[in-house]
Amino acid sequence: DADVTQTPRNRITKTGKRIMLECSQTKGHDRMYWYRQDPGLGLQLIYYSFDVKDINKGEISDGYSVSRQAQAKFSLSLESAIPNQTALYFCATSEAGPEGETQYFGPGTRLLVL
Amino acid sequence: AQKITQTQPGMFVQEKEAVTLDCTYDTSDPSYGLFWYKQPSSGEMIFLIYQGSYDQQNATEGRYSLNFQKARKSANLVISASQLGDSAMYFCAMREANDYKLSFGAGTTVTVRA
Repeated sequence: DADVTQTPRNRITKTGKRIMLECSQTKGHDRMYWYRQDPGLGLQLIYYSFDVKDINKGEISDGYSVSRQAQAKFSLSLESAIPNQTALYFCATSEAGPEGETQYFGPGTRLLVL
Repeated sequence: AQKITQTQPGMFVQEKEAVTLDCTYDTSDPSYGLFWYKQPSSGEMIFLIYQGSYDQQNATEGRYSLNFQKARKSANLVISASQLGDSAMYFCAMREANDYKLSFGAGTTVTVRA
């Protein structure tokens, strides 16, 4: 079984709809992240969480919200989806540590907003 | 300012040959980590290799090695004995000790020819 799972893997929605992307991990890591990737580009950080009570905004948090329901679960919500939120969304996890902590990514969720 | 620069949008390599992917970075933080990820056409992000800023030796992981030249601020990935399955997009990323996100380059597409 995969260490980091994301559901759904693909989603098509309409402008104005609220949607939630879910992430679960079995790696036992404290730190979890949400990134988005636009076609032909690298990843940009949306939100990150270092434990259940710690939520922080990343580079591009506008239009998004998150919930850390448990150490293993981190959800991303689009309150009112818009077409420019069409992207590939990744959840990632890492252990607490120095600059060398490796982030491990889930398989990604492809979101299309019509 | 761009923290990670990958100047090669795409490369072709013959099967069984080696290929070098360029990555330069920009930071004033003395402590940082450098990472390479592979993204096949299926979309997932796969961690390949890590180099810490204080590491004295270049990192190696199987057929992957990282040519770390600190003074030049470069962290090139070398893939030896290329295989067809190496065809993918490759991303260089950096995490500075005083930051929590990975900063990604734009990526390099590698196509391995039989």
